[in-house]
Amino acid sequence: GENVEQHPSTLSVQEGDSAVIKCTYSDSASNYFPWYKQELGKGPQLIIDIRSNVGEKKDQRIAVTLNKTAKHFSLHITETQPEDSAVYFCAASRGDDKIIFGKGTRLHILP
Amino acid sequence: DGGITQSPKYLFRKEGQNVTLSCEQNLNHDAMYWYRQDPGQGLRLIYYSQIVNDFQKGDIAEGYSVSREKKESFPLTVTSAQKNPTAFYLCASTATGATGQPQHFGDGTRLSIL
Repeated sequence: GENVEQHPSTLSVQEGDSAVIKCTYSDSASNYFPWYKQELGKGPQLIIDIRSNVGEKKDQRIAVTLNKTAKHFSLHITETQPEDSAVYFCAASRGDDKIIFGKGTRLHILP
Repeated sequence: DGGITQSPKYLFRKEGQNVTLSCEQNLNHDAMYWYRQDPGQGLRLIYYSQIVNDFQKGDIAEGYSVSREKKESFPLTVTSAQKNPTAFYLCASTATGATGQPQHFGDGTRLSIL
């Protein structure tokens, strides 16, 4: 079955710098890749997603890139702010209503 | 506002006791899911249901049971057979579709052992 690896598990960046989180997937049939942000004591919230027919997608300070050949995708957050501190999860799906999640990255924004 | 409501927010279980976690959605979604989250771990799928009166086991179904009698509701029972139930439980739902749809999550129930 699908396996999603996520790195790093913890990431600290200075406020205003960029943060990059990387994920790889194993199932070449996966065609949908969402990213979630989870704040303490809350459920994950979708922040951006990308489908396999697109190589890059951007929404203000957040962007996601997808390399289907290498089977990896990345989340890029620019001009980081204190409210970006949270746990981020990548995920992959074949479109059959099941989503496989990575183990998460705890992002710390340093003042 | 549409969304997913999980209750209670905190739950305590005694040894040998079954407890039921509630999940209700008003998004008119067909599919619903239960995940377990442990510290430093990703989300592990317990059970999911793609339609009323039907559900499938996920990766860690042992010690858990579910029902799907109504489209809006997908309660999870943690039975006494689940020997390590302390975790954060998340319910999610999604509109079904062939090209993948985002899952919408509730704010979770934290279950602890007394």
